[in-house]
Amino acid sequence: DAMVIQNPRYQVTQFGKPVTLSCSQTLNHNVMYWYQQKSSQAPKLLFHYYDKDFNNEADTPDNFQSRRPNTSFCFLDIRSPGLGDAAMYLCATSRDHATLWGDQPQHFGDGTRLSIL
Amino acid sequence: SQQGEEDPQALSIQEGENATMNCSYKTSINNLQWYRQNSGRGLVHLILIRSNEREKHSGRLRVTLDTSKKSSSLLITASRAADTASYFCAHKAAGNKLTFGGGTRVLVKP
Repeated sequence: DAMVIQNPRYQVTQFGKPVTLSCSQTLNHNVMYWYQQKSSQAPKLLFHYYDKDFNNEADTPDNFQSRRPNTSFCFLDIRSPGLGDAAMYLCATSRDHATLWGDQPQHFGDGTRLSIL
Repeated sequence: SQQGEEDPQALSIQEGENATMNCSYKTSINNLQWYRQNSGRGLVHLILIRSNEREKHSGRLRVTLDTSKKSSSLLITASRAADTASYFCAHKAAGNKLTFGGGTRVLVKP
């Protein structure tokens, strides 16, 4: 089945130690998103890629970076994780740019829960 | 903030009862979407209603949209234990991104 896969499901890292979360998709969608979701809160968009074009949200900390080496994969890099970065990180895709305007649904992976020691 | 508001924040019902949750937003929209999130999982798209639609059905789900009041409601009829989840509305806000409401946590007791 076509899907969005996030690895690992659970990630533990030390304060200040760089960490990378990965996302892959078999949907062949052009747009990939990264969201941060803290407990009992709404998902918050960090950034998205439309194909190779990177779009950062204005309030996303510089500590967060992303890479998209090809259509199928997208990575979230946290350069120096702080305690406040502990959260669920969700990857999502949509078929094309029109979805950015909310015209089509987004397809989510099951997330990576990040803990900071 | 452009984030939508949802109420109630939490809802507890018996299996077989109906569950209703509401969503309000502040900007004009092209459409509004509802998503479900089971504990520890990603979001699953449930239904999309366009701004020129007033009501939409999908199985046991019924969504209404009132653009004059900038509000929407999601009704789950004949609820089941498997409907236990958080439900989020989402709409296009400033910057053309999809903005999620705070969610309603629904507990369906068997």
